[in-house]
Amino acid sequence: SAVISQKPSRDICQRGTSLTIQCQVDSQVTMMFWYRQQPGQSLTLIATANQGSEATYESGFVIDKFPISRPNLTFSTLTVSNMSPEDSSIYLCSVSAGVGNIQYFGAGTRLSVL
Amino acid sequence: AQTVTQSQPEMSVQEAETVTLSCTYDTSESNYYLFWYKQPPSRQMILVIRQEAYKQQNATENRFSVNFQKAAKSFSLKISDSQLGDTAMYFCAFWTGANSKLTFGKGITLSVRP
Repeated sequence: SAVISQKPSRDICQRGTSLTIQCQVDSQVTMMFWYRQQPGQSLTLIATANQGSEATYESGFVIDKFPISRPNLTFSTLTVSNMSPEDSSIYLCSVSAGVGNIQYFGAGTRLSVL
Repeated sequence: AQTVTQSQPEMSVQEAETVTLSCTYDTSESNYYLFWYKQPPSRQMILVIRQEAYKQQNATENRFSVNFQKAAKSFSLKISDSQLGDTAMYFCAFWTGANSKLTFGKGITLSVRP
C-alpha cells in the first residue's frame, strides 16, 4: 500500500492567482496521477506524472494552466495557474503502487476561487 | 475506448440489510482489473475491492463481495450487513495495460439509514 499526504487540504484563492498543491508519498512510486473532481461527481484525470519525464496531459488540460513537477519518486506538485471561479473543485493526487495496479489516493485539496 | 457505466445515481438501504451496486463496462481488452472505490464525505478515496479479469472466482473482502460476469461485462458490488459507516459515494473503475489509466464510472451515492 501507499500513504499519501496532500497539502493544502483546502484553500480559498482570488481570481488570477496561482496555487501549488503538494503530494508526498511514503514510498517510491513510478507513476503519479492528478485528478479533478467536482463535488458529487466522478474523477477526471488531469495528467500522469512520471519521474524524469514530462507529464502527460489529458485532452482539455494544458501544461500552461496546470504545470506539474515530479522531482523525485516520492513527491509531485500540481499548480493551478491564473485561477478563475471555474477552477473551483477538488484536486486529488494518486499513485499506482504494489501489485494489481491498485491506485491509492490523497485526501484531496478543496479549492474555491472567488 | 474503455467505458464504465453506473446507471443508478443513488440508493438507500436500511442498516444491517444487504445492498447491491451495479456496474457495467465495455472493453476489447482481455486482461484488465476492476475496482470498487468508496469515497465518504471526508473525501478520502478508499479501495474496497479488486478483481482480476483472468480470475473466475469472485473477490471477497469481509462484508464486501463482487459478482463478476465477464461475458456480460458486469461487475456489481454486494454489501452485506450494511453499516452507517458505509454511507459514501461508490465508484466502479477499470484499468488496462493498454493505457495504464483508471477509468471511473459516474459513481453512486449510497445512504445507510439507521
